[in-house]
Amino acid sequence: RKEVEQDPGPFNVPEGATVAFNCTYSNSASQSFFWYRQDCRKEPKLLMSVYSSGNEDGRFTAQLNRASQYISLLIRDSKLSDSATYLCVVVFAPEIIFGSGTRLSIRP
Amino acid sequence: DAGVIQSPRHEVTEMGQEVTLRCKPISGHDYLFWYRQTMMRGLELLIYFNNNVPIDDSGMPEDRFSAKMPNASFSTLKIQPSEPRDSAVYFCASSFKEEKLFFGSGTQLSVL
Repeated sequence: RKEVEQDPGPFNVPEGATVAFNCTYSNSASQSFFWYRQDCRKEPKLLMSVYSSGNEDGRFTAQLNRASQYISLLIRDSKLSDSATYLCVVVFAPEIIFGSGTRLSIRP
Repeated sequence: DAGVIQSPRHEVTEMGQEVTLRCKPISGHDYLFWYRQTMMRGLELLIYFNNNVPIDDSGMPEDRFSAKMPNASFSTLKIQPSEPRDSAVYFCASSFKEEKLFFGSGTQLSVL
């Protein structure tokens, strides 16, 4: 079993839709969690941290469920520019583990 | 800060040649990571350093790969001899206290 698992997608949704991804992790003692965004042929960039209480950044909401060992990313009112691959990251020091990514495509 | 700087951006070489990839981390960061990304295998951690010391190189595929960090502002990843299966995008990333990683723009390596 992989330590961090993501649905690879692709998710193909219309502009304006709400879309959510989950990411499950196997190590219950994991300490920190993040979402990264990677555009085609570009480097991954930090999108947001994930806090236990859940957190929002504009149209993006991240949540952590420690009991079920998953993190989620919700994108509301999706834009064409949201099309990218979204990678979850789980940290259990000293290990930083990237998920394989979920591809999202927003259509007009 | 200019961010993590990698060079070259693109490298095309012939099988058997030596390839050296370079990375300048963000000033003040104490961790440096080398990753490789392909369509088939996704993002793979090759090696990482803490305060210039290699901590975990278990991801280095074989002895043809080596990495050094002679000082806090410079690291190299060397492949000798290179093979076509080494073709990938190689990313360098740095962080402070192993938290949020900042990636360089990557080196697109093509081994013919």
